[in-house]
Amino acid sequence: GAVVSQHPSRVICKSGTSVKIECRSLDFQATTMFWYRQFPKQSLMLMATSNEGSKATYEQGVEKDKFLINHASLTLSTLTVTSAHPEDSSFYICSARRWLGETQYFGPGTRLLVL
Amino acid sequence: QQQVKQSPQSLIVQKGGISIINCAYENTAFDYFPWYQQFPGKGPALLIAIRPDVSEKKEGRFTISFNKSAKQFSLHIMDSQPGDSATYFCAASNSNDYKLSFGAGTTVTVRA
Repeated sequence: GAVVSQHPSRVICKSGTSVKIECRSLDFQATTMFWYRQFPKQSLMLMATSNEGSKATYEQGVEKDKFLINHASLTLSTLTVTSAHPEDSSFYICSARRWLGETQYFGPGTRLLVL
Repeated sequence: QQQVKQSPQSLIVQKGGISIINCAYENTAFDYFPWYQQFPGKGPALLIAIRPDVSEKKEGRFTISFNKSAKQFSLHIMDSQPGDSATYFCAASNSNDYKLSFGAGTTVTVRA
C-alpha cells in the first residue's frame, strides 16, 4: 500500500505558459501533501505543505502566486506553475502523509522543462 | 541552511562490502528519522526509519544506528549489491508539522 502517483511524468512548455501537475494517493487518504523541487544532483527542497480543505502554507522564498497549490480532496493535490520561465525547469515531487502517520510517501516526480 | 548534515557526498564500495552514511542534526525537536533511496529520474522511496527512543533498527541488509546524545544517526548497508547503487538521503521531522528536512544526499556506487 501507500502508492502515490503524479501526472504528467514529463512536460515541456513554452515560457509564459502555465503547467498543472497532479498528485494522487491511490490507496490511502492523504491528510497532508507536500510539494518539493529538486535540481540536478541536489537534495529535495520543500516548497509547500498542503492540507485537505485549507490553504497551502509556503516555505520562505517560494512565491505563492507563482506556485498555486490546491488540495481539494483527500486523494488529490495539484501544483500549477503559472507563467513558467526557464528557471522554473526542475524535477517536482509530491509526497503524501496519512492522518496520524509520520511517514511521507513520495510520487515518481514530474520533470518540467520550460523553453 | 541545512538542518541535517550528511556525509560523505559520494562513496564507492565493492560488491559484498559495507556502505556507511552518516547524518547529524541540531534541532532537538526532531523525533522521526527516515532514510530514502532515490534512483535517477525517480521519486525517493522509504528505506527504513527510526525514532529517538531506539538506538538501532535493522531491516534486511539495512541498519540505522542512532545516537541521541550526539545527535547523529547513520545508515549501514550490509552485503552491498550493484542494485543498491543510488542516492541515499537522510531526513528528519517533528510531530508538530511533519515537514521533512533532508540531508544533501550520498551517491553510492557498488562495483561488481
